[in-house]
Amino acid sequence: GAVVSQHPSRVICKSGTSVKIECRSLDFQATTMFWYRQFPKQSLMLMATSNEGSKATYEQGVEKDKFLINHASLTLSTLTVTSAHPEDSSFYICSARSRTRVEAEAFFGQGTRLTVV
Amino acid sequence: GQNIDQPTEMTATEGAIVQINCTYQTSGFNGLFWYQQHAGEAPTFLSYNVLDGLEEKGRFSSFLSRSKGYSYLLLKELQMKDSASYLCAVRDRTGANNLFFGTGTRLTVIP
Repeated sequence: GAVVSQHPSRVICKSGTSVKIECRSLDFQATTMFWYRQFPKQSLMLMATSNEGSKATYEQGVEKDKFLINHASLTLSTLTVTSAHPEDSSFYICSARSRTRVEAEAFFGQGTRLTVV
Repeated sequence: GQNIDQPTEMTATEGAIVQINCTYQTSGFNGLFWYQQHAGEAPTFLSYNVLDGLEEKGRFSSFLSRSKGYSYLLLKELQMKDSASYLCAVRDRTGANNLFFGTGTRLTVIP
């Protein structure tokens, strides 16, 4: 299957600081990447969709100025949580879609557990 | 919008068979995915259905009926390691082909 790598797997940061999470497609070109958030015992909620070379599309209720997404290349998208607060503590997961491998979007990165203290 | 329903919790015995149902309502259905997720880990892909019928993959099978907006995941010869959450996700053409997830079914396998 397609491989999506996400880094870091865990991060603890102080309230008010920013955290960057990277999502890479290792063996295919990801024209679109998806960012999800998952709170304990809840399902995945789509935050935003990023397309290579263009602005991300955010789901309703997701603050685009707080969750900055950059998709600068066909293999890398980054999510930056700015001015993090304890309520941003969550599990963040990315997945990727390939123009040529439709099933590639079925595969997720390993996830990043963010804890804001 | 999308409306995806699946049971919250299920319990089954080791060695048995369990069926996890998922019903959905979506305006632009373009495929249904099943994932397994262990606590604290990312989901792992199990199956994908876009046409009606049964897809079999080892101990796991997935069924789809588009006319009924219904799918199920069938797990055979249950093992203790199958204890996990199982997520049903629907791809919606009208939603930029994004995936929309159900709340997940937490399966507990008991000896």
